[in-house]
Amino acid sequence: DVVLTQTPSILSATIGQSVSISCRSSQSLLDSDGNTYLYWFLQRPGQSPQRLIYLVSNLGSGVPNRFSGSGSGTDFTLKISGVEAEDLGVYYCMQATHAPWTFGGGTKLELK
Amino acid sequence: QVQLQQSGAELAKPGSSVKISCKASGYTFTSYYISWIKQTTGQGLEYIGYINTGSGGTNYNEKFKGKATLTVDKSSSTAFMQLSSLTPDDSAVYYCARAVPYYWYFDFWGPGTMVTVSS
Repeated sequence: DVVLTQTPSILSATIGQSVSISCRSSQSLLDSDGNTYLYWFLQRPGQSPQRLIYLVSNLGSGVPNRFSGSGSGTDFTLKISGVEAEDLGVYYCMQATHAPWTFGGGTKLELK
Repeated sequence: QVQLQQSGAELAKPGSSVKISCKASGYTFTSYYISWIKQTTGQGLEYIGYINTGSGGTNYNEKFKGKATLTVDKSSSTAFMQLSSLTPDDSAVYYCARAVPYYWYFDFWGPGTMVTVSS
């Protein structure tokens, strides 16, 4: 199975600070069809995960543009440009290029 | 608006089965697939499989073959997941999520159903 390693596991930030989360894959996520099936989700405390980014860098509908995704191959990054209080929670990356689809272990974003 | 409503928490005995439902509303049910995801504190998030809500075709994570069975009732816009031969390791929160075909993007998630397996 593809292993997605997220770093850091815990991220402390102040409101307004810009932060980045890394997601490193054990295999390239570039599919033979040319797409890279890498996604980002946020799970707020007590809630189900919600969409953020799909296909590496596409913002989900209604997702604030302070979120951005980048990367290729095996290395991917989620950036938050100016953390807001509602951004606190656990961030997960997920891949759907290789079966079985797998998730990263999560990065908890907390207030410093 | 898109909603996925899941059935309530289950307390089940080892060796038994449970069937969780996921009722969709606010969109054309058969235009999207429904996927199922397991969440535990120890294992994190695990993909179980998805069902093509139009054809009933399924795709399973090998790990969950024989454990999970995905079905759909188009008439009620509801997807189901049956978990069989339950063990304490099956205790988890189970989410359904709407999956965009070909992009495999989970754009809406249900609130989750907690399953506790205990004698």
